[in-house]
Amino acid sequence: GAGVSQSPSNKVTEKGKDVELRCDPISGHTALYWYRQSLGQGLEFLIYFQGNSAPDKSGLPSDRFSAERTGGSVSTLTIQRTQQEDSAVYLCASSNGQLTNEKLFFGSGTQLSVL
Amino acid sequence: DQQVKQNSPSLSVQEGRISILNCDYTNSMFDYFLWYKKYPAEGPTFLISISSIKDKNEDGRFTVFLNKSAKHLSLHIVPSQPGDSAVYFCAAYAGSNYKLTFGKGTLLTVNP
Repeated sequence: GAGVSQSPSNKVTEKGKDVELRCDPISGHTALYWYRQSLGQGLEFLIYFQGNSAPDKSGLPSDRFSAERTGGSVSTLTIQRTQQEDSAVYLCASSNGQLTNEKLFFGSGTQLSVL
Repeated sequence: DQQVKQNSPSLSVQEGRISILNCDYTNSMFDYFLWYKKYPAEGPTFLISISSIKDKNEDGRFTVFLNKSAKHLSLHIVPSQPGDSAVYFCAAYAGSNYKLTFGKGTLLTVNP
């Protein structure tokens, strides 16, 4: 595809359930980022991948959050035992090369609602 | 601890007038600053950037000004158009870091 694709676009779940959010970056982009935006907040960094490895997971809020990336392409963000405070828009972005943040391309996000 | 601050949650201007969006930062290690624009239900898109070695960068109707001593930057849009109505995020990073730090955003509404 031409852009970063995220699925699902909306997810409503019950507290305590697990959810998986998917990101398909732009083909050939080696860097992949996950951010989230809670209501009234800025974009909060979660995790960064360079290829399949994640040199920085420092933004993950708790051990209920994990992410992986396979084949240097698709990434999945998993939230276990969801809580209401996990409700947010989860945004994925990809970049071609290193440290070129201005070339970050974002997907449209997944709106997660935990009831 | 918010390292990038956008103190105005919203701004309303008339079409054709100037829009000025402000951003302050606290981390003196930041040396590259960006503005992103976000429409509802879409991801942010890059708008304009500035390196700390400059104090101004212009791209068409958009100009970013950087005042390093005040740790302040601003985005000017002249003339403003209704299609500019969106949320504008200020972001920054240190050159050795890959991590963008974002402000909370300012909702700009341009009235016809």
